[in-house]
Amino acid sequence: DGGITQSPKYLFRKEGQNVTLSCEQNLNHDAMYWYRQDPGQGLRLIYYSQIVNDFQKGDIAEGYSVSREKKESFPLTVTSAQKNPTAFYLCASSIHTRDGYTFGSGTRLTVV
Amino acid sequence: GENVEQHPSTLSVQEGDSAVIKCTYSDSASNYFPWYKQELGKRPQLIIDIRSNVGEKKDQRIAVTLNKTAKHFSLHITETQPEDSAVYFCAASPGNTGKLIFGQGTTLQVKP
Repeated sequence: DGGITQSPKYLFRKEGQNVTLSCEQNLNHDAMYWYRQDPGQGLRLIYYSQIVNDFQKGDIAEGYSVSREKKESFPLTVTSAQKNPTAFYLCASSIHTRDGYTFGSGTRLTVV
Repeated sequence: GENVEQHPSTLSVQEGDSAVIKCTYSDSASNYFPWYKQELGKRPQLIIDIRSNVGEKKDQRIAVTLNKTAKHFSLHITETQPEDSAVYFCAASPGNTGKLIFGQGTTLQVKP
């Protein structure tokens, strides 16, 4: 998976449940990002982290939470407060803040 | 914040023709402009990028041009092939934040 792994590939969530999406990279990249992809809307930034133990909200952070306890890991929790969570979620990383991203293969989340 | 507009949303060309996709951005502090290609069901992959101190960059059949004054940049694909069919995204990076703001995407179809 090119050094950045997302799991699971498919995830089903019941109404009112929190779910956590995993993102792990072995590229020794400092920065990591979470995007949401919906048809016709491109990629929208949820959260990003430039260094360990620090992260910032993106454009659509409401209903989501993250942590960055290790350089390699940047898990995303989709909480019950996110009203429309069904989407394709992409994690990415970059060496530092002025380089292109390497993307993971994505997690498709569906609310059932 | 930064806003990126991408046009057209769909583009159909005959094999061998050229394809041009255009993007405009709003934040004059943006200094990094990558282009990603996403094939169906796959992760986005970086195909070319340009920084604000350069006006044009080429890589075989792909070129990107940047007009900082007008705040727009374009992707040019020459001698298109069926394998060029995919969704293409432009992005802009405001300042040194590292985050990328993406356009809405262009679905390119190359007809044999």
